[in-house]
Amino acid sequence: DSGVTQTPKHLITATGQRVTLRCSPRSGDLSVYWYQQSLDQGLQFLIQYYNGEERAKGNILERFSAQQFPDLHSELNLSSLELGDSALYFCASTNTGRANTGELFFGEGSRLTVL
Amino acid sequence: DAKTTQPPSMDCAEGRAANLPCNHSTISGNEYVYWYRQIHSQGPQYIIHGLKNNETNEMASLIITEDRKSSTLILPHATLRDTAVYYCIVRPSLAGNTGKLIFGQGTTLQVKP
Repeated sequence: DSGVTQTPKHLITATGQRVTLRCSPRSGDLSVYWYQQSLDQGLQFLIQYYNGEERAKGNILERFSAQQFPDLHSELNLSSLELGDSALYFCASTNTGRANTGELFFGEGSRLTVL
Repeated sequence: DAKTTQPPSMDCAEGRAANLPCNHSTISGNEYVYWYRQIHSQGPQYIIHGLKNNETNEMASLIITEDRKSSTLILPHATLRDTAVYYCIVRPSLAGNTGKLIFGQGTTLQVKP
């Protein structure tokens, strides 16, 4: 158990819909990262938040957005869903106070299926 | 961040050592080598990391060549539960950086009975 909690574990929806994935980081971790893993793309970095503010952006589509709340949980919002958005979405957290360890703790993921 | 090259797949007999190579010939002086693994669509799991010295923990050993252009992850006594995709990642230290990890395709290790 990494201590990172993601909900829901599984989600099935239709094209054009909007969904929200939720992540609770480990206690005390200020940084949250979102990754997408589809069959043909591998693990792709989407976005990072640090203490409520966006810190880094990767290959995140404009239809996707994220935020980190004052209690440090994060949500990834996916809108106008397409079939190609079907994937595993992982959240990870870390305590950047640990100098140089670089260990990210990953949740078990949310599996999104778009029909 | 420097690019890494790993073989797409490897086999290992149960109980034997698994040696997973990684090439990172463009690594910079402030970049660390990290290894993660992902077991069957679970979240990636940290294994070990190092800068230039060899490292060992309860899971594995990391051997980094003197010129730092390549490294080898060693699982000393592989079990069936070690069957996974192993990712070698090169990344600057956390200080002053975002800490994000960029994953490549990794090596699929199949441990066989």
